[in-house]
Amino acid sequence: EVQLVQSGAEVRKPGESLKISCKGSGYSLTNYWIVWVRQVPEKGLEWMGIIYPGDSDTRYSPSFQGQVTMSVDKSISTAYLQWSSLKASDTAVYYCARRSYFGSGGLDVWGLGTTVIVSS
Amino acid sequence: DIQMTQSPSSLSASIGDRITITCRASQGISNYLAWFQQKPGTVPKLLIFAASTLQSGVPSRFSGSGSETDFTLTISSLQPEDVATYYCQKYNSAPWTFGQGTKVEIK
Repeated sequence: EVQLVQSGAEVRKPGESLKISCKGSGYSLTNYWIVWVRQVPEKGLEWMGIIYPGDSDTRYSPSFQGQVTMSVDKSISTAYLQWSSLKASDTAVYYCARRSYFGSGGLDVWGLGTTVIVSS
Repeated sequence: DIQMTQSPSSLSASIGDRITITCRASQGISNYLAWFQQKPGTVPKLLIFAASTLQSGVPSRFSGSGSETDFTLTISSLQPEDVATYYCQKYNSAPWTFGQGTKVEIK
């Protein structure tokens, strides 16, 4: 079964660092982009950026450039999203999803999301 | 960057009604347009990709059309389980921007 399994919910204080994960299984990681999407409570979906596990090619949304870092460890089929200094405004659900590197398919498999709460 | 504008932002319709949601790109994106459905408290679900291709397992009452800058999602006969927020997304080039969403309710 194709799955993206995300790490569990996190509670942090402003200024703290955080790294969340997204582990792919049941498919070849290097045939798909991994996408990160933010959803603030009661708000819409925001595209944060993409990373290609084949060569770690990364593209960030201008809104998130410099605010987060995406990375991937091919050896364990896991992508990461990290913050060096969290803000209260980072409170949201973070989804990872995949999209085929080839062709015109959409984001067909999603993780269940990681809830991040940043509060003092 | 290309902006994606959905309309309406919300709509209320009766069971069995035909409804249409529009998504407009500020520049041409060919057919690199997807539609997602998100029910409250759940993960977004891919309905349509490449503007008009139905994702496997999605009911045939959903359909998509359009190219370049103007796209539509149509539900031919609204069902109670279609209550959700619908998003379009462009993915011809980064950033793969989402529309702001359209909330669909039953009248």
